[in-house]
Amino acid sequence: EVQLVESGGGLVKPGGSLRLSCAASGFTFSSYTLNWVRQAPGKGLEWVSSISSSSDYIYYAESVEGRFTISRDNAQNSLSLHMNSLRAEDTAVYYCARDCGGDCYSLDYWGQGTRVTVSS
Amino acid sequence: EIVLTQSPATLSLSPGERATLSCRASRSLYNYLAWYQQKPGQAPRLLISDTSRRAPGIPARFSGSGSGTDFTLTISSLEPEDFAVYYCQQRSDWRPIFTFGPGTKVDL
Repeated sequence: EVQLVESGGGLVKPGGSLRLSCAASGFTFSSYTLNWVRQAPGKGLEWVSSISSSSDYIYYAESVEGRFTISRDNAQNSLSLHMNSLRAEDTAVYYCARDCGGDCYSLDYWGQGTRVTVSS
Repeated sequence: EIVLTQSPATLSLSPGERATLSCRASRSLYNYLAWYQQKPGQAPRLLISDTSRRAPGIPARFSGSGSGTDFTLTISSLEPEDFAVYYCQQRSDWRPIFTFGPGTKVDL
């Protein structure tokens, strides 16, 4: 069974930093592109970042470019998101999600999310 | 950048009725459109990929159609568990950058 489990969320002050993690199991982690997607309270879904299977290709949404860093450890089956210079508008539930790959062009498995609150 | 719009914002229906949700793209998507269902407090769940391909385990009452810039998710006969928010999503055809529509809420 594919599982993605996020952790690391919490309350942080504006300008602060936080590191989110996503532990994966039930599939060949090193074969898939992975993503972070967030959802602000009461709002829709916003794609944040993606990282290819070998970390060769990394992309960010304009809203987080230069402040967030995505990384992965294929030996540990883990995905991370380092978030710096956090702003109130970064407050959201952050989901890790697997790109199903091939001709699928969508996200087939999602974690349960971890909540990040940026507030003084 | 492709922008997705969904209509209506809210669809008020009863169990057993047919639901038709629309997603329009600002330019042609070449069929790379997906649909997700999200219930309160839960992660999104993939329903449909590649415009019309049901994800594993998704009931046959869910179907997707469309092409170019206009796409539809149809729920043939609403079950009580289908009342939720539905998002459409597209992915760039040459890099993994995803865009979501604003969502349609299907409620009683």
